[in-house]
Amino acid sequence: GESVGLHLPTLSVQEGDNSIINCAYSNSASDYFIWYKQESGKGPQFIIDIRSNMDKRQGQRVTVLLNKTVKHLSLQIAATQPGDSAVYFCAEMGGNTPLVFGKGTRLSVIA
Amino acid sequence: GAVVSQHPSRVICKSGTSVKIECRSLDFQATTMFWYRQFPKKSLMLMATSNEGSKATYEQGVEKDKFLINHASLTLSTLTVTSAHPEDSSFYICSAFTSGGSYSYNEQFFGPGTRLTVL
Repeated sequence: GESVGLHLPTLSVQEGDNSIINCAYSNSASDYFIWYKQESGKGPQFIIDIRSNMDKRQGQRVTVLLNKTVKHLSLQIAATQPGDSAVYFCAEMGGNTPLVFGKGTRLSVIA
Repeated sequence: GAVVSQHPSRVICKSGTSVKIECRSLDFQATTMFWYRQFPKKSLMLMATSNEGSKATYEQGVEKDKFLINHASLTLSTLTVTSAHPEDSSFYICSAFTSGGSYSYNEQFFGPGTRLTVL
């Protein structure tokens, strides 16, 4: 089965609010984590990544937090916009293992 | 960033026919390409790992004789769905992996996907 999962399958937020998407992983050997955005009918789009030797990484409007103690990953999107509506997947990998994807969270932005 | 293309983007075929899907890395050499399938409202499931010049490694439960993978060059991998049936209808996504070079370590770039519908 999948070793990476998500707490919430759907998330609705008001435009302009911050979004937080959570992810749990079970493979303690994973050392690299990625968040992807997938719009309908398209392939995954890289958003941000983080290595296991970090606990926080910031990008443009996005922040990824990694808590290795509880094997938890989160994606924070600041000032959520309608264009952020999509399905978000976390993925993990370690060593030579391929990416393992979580179940995905659908983010809906309410204008 | 690196670009990965897939062709065709959509294909509809009759049951029993074979369909070939191409995955190309356009501006970099990919020693490894991955093939995923995605059912509606589901996550991406890895089907196989394709290394240039060698046989693909299939994930458990994926029939290698049904899903033929060829990785003949560093920029092209093909997935052929043989004797397709309606249950093979899915969204097939490839990705190309590169390490070192001008890209960050462990970056994997995804294609836009191919929607296969088997009637």
